[in-house]
Amino acid sequence: AQSVTQLGSHVSVSEGALVLLRCNYSSSVPPYLFWYVQYPNQGLQLLLKYTTGATLVKGINGFEAEFKKSETSFHLTKPSAHMSDAAEYFCAVSESDSWGKLQFGAGTQVVVTP
Amino acid sequence: DGGITQSPKYLFRKEGQNVTLSCEQNLNHDAMYWYRQDPGQGLRLIYYSQIVNDFQKGDIAEGYSVSREKKESFPLTVTSAQKNPTAFYLCASSIGASEAFFGQGTRLTVV
Repeated sequence: AQSVTQLGSHVSVSEGALVLLRCNYSSSVPPYLFWYVQYPNQGLQLLLKYTTGATLVKGINGFEAEFKKSETSFHLTKPSAHMSDAAEYFCAVSESDSWGKLQFGAGTQVVVTP
Repeated sequence: DGGITQSPKYLFRKEGQNVTLSCEQNLNHDAMYWYRQDPGQGLRLIYYSQIVNDFQKGDIAEGYSVSREKKESFPLTVTSAQKNPTAFYLCASSIGASEAFFGQGTRLTVV
């Protein structure tokens, strides 16, 4: 069975500071890993995904994540936070070839302060 | 433009009433999914369908029902058996080994 743990339900960062959101997973097979972002009362938008190959994955809006198999982690980073990054972020894992069948973490709410 | 349309955006249900949430996609995706979102719990899978006329239960299917009569449509019915239906419901679709695309959601409130 797969599970996803996101450390920290709320994160506050200053504008221009590093954003680091932590995600650890458990999976019995090599997983497919995703980060989604959600703005208030909206659906989810894909930031980036890891399937195979290069373990450092670049996504939209300057975000990137690194897959570390030995640590079962897939942490999300952005070097410099922008006010528009304020949103909720979800880490998700899929063990099937149907990538919409996802196990989500509980989410991390990001607040950006001026 | 291709995408997923969920309607209505807001829905109110009286105790003991069944309600149906609509999800339509024009992306020609084979698979469709329903997720429930509660504060602090992330999203949980209710039902999914990989082909027309076939669907499977997800992690929290009790009190819900679905149908998949057309490739484009995957409506979700919240029945009176669902004891705590107030939540944000998200529909998604995908095709093969590609990421899921999500609709804008329906917020259901019991009054």
